[in-house]
Amino acid sequence: QVQLQESGPGLVKPSETLSLTCSVSGYSISSDDYYWGWIRQPPGKGLEWIGSIFHSGKTFYNPSLRSRVTISLDAFKNQFSLNLNSVTATDTAVFYCARLGPYFRQVDYWGQGALVTVSS
Amino acid sequence: QSALTQPASVSGSPGQSITISCTGTSSDVARYNYVSWYQHYPGKAPKVMIYDVSNRPSGVSNRFSGSKSGNTASLTISGLQAEDEADYYCSSYTSSSTLVFGGGTKLTVL
Repeated sequence: QVQLQESGPGLVKPSETLSLTCSVSGYSISSDDYYWGWIRQPPGKGLEWIGSIFHSGKTFYNPSLRSRVTISLDAFKNQFSLNLNSVTATDTAVFYCARLGPYFRQVDYWGQGALVTVSS
Repeated sequence: QSALTQPASVSGSPGQSITISCTGTSSDVARYNYVSWYQHYPGKAPKVMIYDVSNRPSGVSNRFSGSKSGNTASLTISGLQAEDEADYYCSSYTSSSTLVFGGGTKLTVL
């Protein structure tokens, strides 16, 4: 059974960097079959794709966040991570890590979600 | 990239059918058959209900179906049940190798 679990601080100060890690069990992130990514949902708003990474390290980012986002992976730990810098209150959201199929055709496994609040 | 356009809300009575539309552009919905639909209950992780426009993952009720015409995809739920009340999101792969979601539709079962 594939499981994903987000971890990281629940509170980040404005202008600092939001960092989250997703631990994957039941499947190797080194597989050729899937991509791994981050999706967020601000309070009262819809889902927003942040970006995705392939096991080769190739990354794909939402153009609106590209300048502030870095997604990386650690195959040995079977984890991947999100860094979002220069955060503001508008970055407050539930962040989901997820597994995506080729062409992001489906997001078939999701983490439970981690609420990150940006506030001083 | 702009979010795909969905109605903010739809409603229907138990047993009825409803359809949620998802309008994109020539760079996403119209160009690729990589449209998927997600059911989202508050506080839970979203669940994929339809992928590749009209395919249902194993375990998803056949009351859920998807289709596409031009730059508009649609999700139809037949035989509406109280448990179908949730938020629904569409998504599409884009020509920029990105993923874009719709703004979401709140389904109310009357």
